[in-house]
Amino acid sequence: EPEVTQTPSHQVTQMGQEVILRCVPISNHLYFYWYRQILGQKVEFLVSFYNNEISEKSEIFDDQFSVERPDGSNFTLKIRSTKLEDSAMYFCASSEGGTGEKLFFGSGTQLSVL
Amino acid sequence: LAKTTQPISMDSYEGQEVNITCSHNNIATNDYITWYQQFPSQGPRFIIQGYKTKVTNEVASLFIPADRKSSTLSLPRVSLSDTAVYYCLVGAPNTDKLIFGTGTRLQVFP
Repeated sequence: EPEVTQTPSHQVTQMGQEVILRCVPISNHLYFYWYRQILGQKVEFLVSFYNNEISEKSEIFDDQFSVERPDGSNFTLKIRSTKLEDSAMYFCASSEGGTGEKLFFGSGTQLSVL
Repeated sequence: LAKTTQPISMDSYEGQEVNITCSHNNIATNDYITWYQQFPSQGPRFIIQGYKTKVTNEVASLFIPADRKSSTLSLPRVSLSDTAVYYCLVGAPNTDKLIFGTGTRLQVFP
């Protein structure tokens, strides 16, 4: 089965630093998503991206967050100035045709902000 | 977006059939019902999706009554490896925002 790949698997950073989380979605997929999961809590929607623009975002996705598809294969999430509460597992997902289709999730990047 | 309600946890034994019911009283006409499975430290994995009646695939069945206000995920003959959190999600195919609830933590014992 095709896979969504995320790098790095773990990222440790100091509060206030910028981090970029990287994802390689499945090649023929058109819809891309970022979710996060704080330890012991539910999976939270951050943002969806289609046709090179954000299509939906949550309240969590404030001005400190941005997404980009810099080339034909990568999809990135940038956090400009990390806070302690940004510590979480960040999941990238992709789908062929939006949320009505199956979403494929990556294994996640565990972000720890110290 | 329709809110979903599931049991917080369930226990079962290997070889038994497990049925997890999800309530979604405010489901809209064009909403689909989708179930995902999540193992610790992994991303959610799609299990099954349906609109009405019954859907079956190689891992599970999904039963949806005529009023669509609830749905039941059925896992036949569970094994230890089915221990995971199971999420019921409801949403329209033309939205780009899939919202996860708290899920049902299934524990399978030997």
